[in-house]
Amino acid sequence: DGGITQSPKYLFRKEGQNVTLSCEQNLNHDAMYWYRQDPGQGLRLIYYSQIVNDFQKGDIAEGYSVSREKKESFPLTVTSAQKNPTAFYLCASSPTAVSYEQYFGPGTRLTVT
Amino acid sequence: DAKTTQPTSMDCAEGRAANLPCNHSTISGNEYVYWYRQIHSQGPQYIIHGLKNNETNEMASLIITEDRKSSTLILPHATLRDTAVYYCIVRGPISNFGNEKLTFGTGTRLTIIP
Repeated sequence: DGGITQSPKYLFRKEGQNVTLSCEQNLNHDAMYWYRQDPGQGLRLIYYSQIVNDFQKGDIAEGYSVSREKKESFPLTVTSAQKNPTAFYLCASSPTAVSYEQYFGPGTRLTVT
Repeated sequence: DAKTTQPTSMDCAEGRAANLPCNHSTISGNEYVYWYRQIHSQGPQYIIHGLKNNETNEMASLIITEDRKSSTLILPHATLRDTAVYYCIVRGPISNFGNEKLTFGTGTRLTIIP
């Protein structure tokens, strides 16, 4: 089935460690996005990529890094510089950077202690 | 992008129509209204979008007022599976290349009651 895969669903890390969240899509979409969601709040954009080998900062990029070496993959690294990394992370994709819809993955819940 | 205002929560009886309001009084002439929903602990799901005409698809109907300052999402026959947080989003036209983000607020928590 076509879709967006995020793994793992739950991730636990110690404070001070970098952690990389996986996002893979087999929809042949050009654009991909990373959002963060905190309890009771809406989504906030971290980074987005309109095409392979290109990405742009979103509203809350500090403490995060991404890469887009392949069309189907857009991993997000949560670095130790991110002050409040515990959150629900959602990856999304859209057919092109000028598409109306964004398709979301199931999310990864990261807990840092 | 224009800011939206939605009620924090709503209840609706199963089988009845659920009407979710959204205010976007500062919307610009070329901004679209989008609706997404998020079932607990899942990724958001696109529902519908429109510019100024009313829109309908297999999931819902979108009614936009003539002055475009508010809109209503209608789920015609709500089921228990429609229990979710519903987000009303306003964004610029797709031609604004380079800024294709969706700005999600806190949404409306819709509970369908058996």
